[in-house]
Amino acid sequence: DAGVIQSPRHEVTEMGQEVTLRCKPISGHDYLFWYRQTMMRGLELLIYFNNNVPIDDSGMPEDRFSAKMPNASFSTLKIQPSEPRDSAVYFCASSPGLTRDEQFFGPGTRLTVL
Amino acid sequence: GQSLEQPSEVTAVEGAIVQINCTYQTSGFYGLSWYQQHDGGAPTFLSYNALDGLEETGRFSSFLSRSDSYGYLLLQELQMKDSASYFCAVGGGGGNKLTFGTGTQLKVEL
Repeated sequence: DAGVIQSPRHEVTEMGQEVTLRCKPISGHDYLFWYRQTMMRGLELLIYFNNNVPIDDSGMPEDRFSAKMPNASFSTLKIQPSEPRDSAVYFCASSPGLTRDEQFFGPGTRLTVL
Repeated sequence: GQSLEQPSEVTAVEGAIVQINCTYQTSGFYGLSWYQQHDGGAPTFLSYNALDGLEETGRFSSFLSRSDSYGYLLLQELQMKDSASYFCAVGGGGGNKLTFGTGTQLKVEL
């Protein structure tokens, strides 16, 4: 398997623009997680899905953020409108949901909002 | 809620042994995990403890004491490539969400 795939790897946009981050989890994994990592706040869970259904979105910072998982092999995280404070590395991870808490992270998308 | 505390930075020499501690406060606990992240890379899973005691995986070992809400990651025979950030994380079991600590930056020197 190719592992978790994220695109784009880098995104530079201007404040107010819409940003869409994409993720393809490992085939057969039932859980998908979106994280944000910054120096100030560390690694934060934004939202996670089980079998394509959002389970916990309490980490989503505000209404400007939304996430979808239309099928088992694809998820998006959208920011509209983007702001400079959204600049961060966004990771997608997937998990088979076994007893140990092993999650498989994608390479991340480095987002810069000017 | 969940909170985890780790030292922010540890420095050790190549070939040495280093221990990275993690204390946690949680409202529900199933296990303690450890992840490694190199600069510019993604976190990768290292180990998981659900029960008290020591788990060994090659040069890395992880320990958990549930009564003390404490765990540590032990790295032996340090190599330069072990220079990275190490995160402890607590989870709700299985596919449930993880809460990560703030991370410990390990610097291995010659």
